Amino acid sequence: GAGVSQTPSNKVTEKGKYVELRCDPISGHTALYWYRQSLGQGPEFLIYFQGTGAADDSGLPNDRFFAVRPEGSVSTLKIQRTERGDSAVYLCASSFGGSYNEQFFGPGTRLTVL
Amino acid sequence: AQSVTQPDIHITVSEGASLELRCNYSYGATPYLFWYVQSPGQGLQLLLKYFSGDTLVQGIKGFEAEFKRSQSSFNLRKPSVHWSDAAEYFCAVGAGSGGYNKLIFGAGTRLAVHP
Repeated sequence: GAGVSQTPSNKVTEKGKYVELRCDPISGHTALYWYRQSLGQGPEFLIYFQGTGAADDSGLPNDRFFAVRPEGSVSTLKIQRTERGDSAVYLCASSFGGSYNEQFFGPGTRLTVL
Repeated sequence: AQSVTQPDIHITVSEGASLELRCNYSYGATPYLFWYVQSPGQGLQLLLKYFSGDTLVQGIKGFEAEFKRSQSSFNLRKPSVHWSDAAEYFCAVGAGSGGYNKLIFGAGTRLAVHP
C-alpha cells in the first residue's frame, strides 16, 4: 500500500506570506504527527493528532502555526506571516493508533522563505 | 526534560569495517528508544526499537543496538558496513503519557563510507 505522502515536495514563498502544507497518512492510521527538521538538526515535534483532535500541540512554536485534521485523515499545517526562520523540512508521520505504534514518515515538504 | 545527544556529527568508515554510533538520552522513566535512518530524498526509516526486555535488540539491514541503563546509552552497531549504509542516522526517545506519542530526536550522525 501507499506510504505517507506530502505535498508539495518543495515550497518557496516570501516573508510574510501564508502557506499550507498537506499530509496524506497511511490509510487506516488514526494518529498523525508533524515534525520540523531544520538544517543540520534532528526532527522536532510540532503536533500530534488522534483522530480529528489535536492531542498534543505543545511543539508548535507560536500562534502563527496551526494544524487541522477535519475528517481524521488528511492534515494541513498552516503557517501565517512566514518568517525566514520558518525555512525547514516539514515532516509528517502516521501510526496505527497512538502509543507504542511505529511512526511511518513521509518524504517531507521543504519550505524556503525568502 | 527529555533529550537525546549524539556526540558524533560525522563519521567516516571504510566499507567492510565495523561501525558504532553513539547515543545518550535523558529521560526520567523507562525509555522507549529508537534508531532511524534518513537517506537523501527518502523519509525516515525505523531501524530498530527498544521498549523492554533483552537489552540487545536486532534491527533491519544487519544493525543492532544495546541499551545500557547505567550509562543512559543506546549505541547502534553494525559488524560490516556496506556502501549503501551511507546516510544520516538519528537516535530518538519516545515521550508522552501512557506510552509515547511523540519522538524526541538527537541532532543526527552523518555516516560516510569509503570504498
